[in-house]
Amino acid sequence: GNSVTQMEGPVTLSEEAFLTINCTYTATGYPSLFWYVQYPGEGLQLLLKATKADDKGSNKGFEATYRKETTSFHLEKGSVQVSDSAVYFCALSGGAGSYQLTFGKGTKLSVIP
Amino acid sequence: KAGVTQTPRYLIKTRGQQVTLSCSPISGHRSVSWYQQTPGQGLQFLFEYFSETQRNKGNFPGRFSGRQFSNSRSEMNVSTLELGDSALYLCASSLAASGGLVYNEQFFGPGTRLTVL
Repeated sequence: GNSVTQMEGPVTLSEEAFLTINCTYTATGYPSLFWYVQYPGEGLQLLLKATKADDKGSNKGFEATYRKETTSFHLEKGSVQVSDSAVYFCALSGGAGSYQLTFGKGTKLSVIP
Repeated sequence: KAGVTQTPRYLIKTRGQQVTLSCSPISGHRSVSWYQQTPGQGLQFLFEYFSETQRNKGNFPGRFSGRQFSNSRSEMNVSTLELGDSALYLCASSLAASGGLVYNEQFFGPGTRLTVL
């Protein structure tokens, strides 16, 4: 079956530091890949997505590239802010017509001034 | 466009009771999915509905059920509540398909926090 493995936190960074959160996946076929962010007391917000190999998703300074050869979708940001403190989830859905998301365990990021 | 709304936001029940949670998707979205979030198990898929039909179901006991109405609104029901059902229940909607294209990104509501005592 499908599975997602992401680095578990917590991760603590200073403001303006570089962020990488690793995510690897196991799936049959051609999954779509997503990063979601969850702020305290809220639901999940879609951060970015990629639907095929070598696609790069980007939003709000965050980027992730769909690497089929390494089955990875690592999240990066060049300069984090305090407002980026949240829990980040990597997820996949099983391809065209599939709406079931499989999530990683989540990575809690804390950014200190 | 209004986002996904879920009611109620908080619920406290006792073991053995049943509960119904409601979800209104983004206007025009036809697919509604439900997820359970707990600290121990993380985010787990419950089921997905499209055009009033359940298309996919996760690995949960039959006490968990759902339905979708003709206006795409959805409800999920949990009967005979157990302590382990305490969780944040998240609803997500997706456009699904339009103009021959598939849109599988899902947009989540704020969740219903269920506490079972």
